Amino acid sequence: KQEVTQIPAALSVPEGENLVLNCSFTDSAIYNLQWFRQDPGKGLTSLLLIQSSQREQTSGRLNASLDKSSGRSTLYIAASQPGDSATYLCAVLSDMRFGAGTRLTVKP
Amino acid sequence: GAGVSQTPSNKVTEKGKYVELRCDPISGHTALYWYRQSLGQGPEFLIYFQGTGAADDSGLPNDRFFAVRPEGSVSTLKIQRTERGDSAVYLCASSPDPAGELFFGEGSRLTVL
Repeated sequence: KQEVTQIPAALSVPEGENLVLNCSFTDSAIYNLQWFRQDPGKGLTSLLLIQSSQREQTSGRLNASLDKSSGRSTLYIAASQPGDSATYLCAVLSDMRFGAGTRLTVKP
Repeated sequence: GAGVSQTPSNKVTEKGKYVELRCDPISGHTALYWYRQSLGQGPEFLIYFQGTGAADDSGLPNDRFFAVRPEGSVSTLKIQRTERGDSAVYLCASSPDPAGELFFGEGSRLTVL
């Protein structure tokens, strides 16, 4: 059974810092991986989708990479802003499994 | 519609009652998923529909939970004899194809007193 782990569980950084969020999975035979953002009391907003044939995707200040052989994906956020404060979740779509998320706080 | 719509947004019920939660996916999306999310946790998979049929219902916790999607569009999650432990946010997502990009609704928050 696919297990998805996100470390750290919580992260607090000052505004302007670049940061990396980690997502690891136990079964490397994955198809697609998707990163989401969730604000308190809200649904999930899609950030980036990485298909199995891709190694990375970029959108604005966000860059997500995928290394299936090592069972890892990372979400890189450049020049963090207070508005980036939220919980970030990764999901292995072929297994319909989510990590528990990383709660990010960016302090002004 | 423009996005995934879930109703009701909030439901408070008493232990032992029957509850229905509705999901209206993005038009044309063949895949539909139900998840349950407890505070501080990631979404927990419940059931996946491809068209009208349940392709994977391995996440349903017990036989009190049931879901249907009779015409391949709107889906209803049904919970019988609700228990306090069923309290959670129930999330619905749709996708244009299996294992494709997921689009989520805002969720239905269920509170069982």
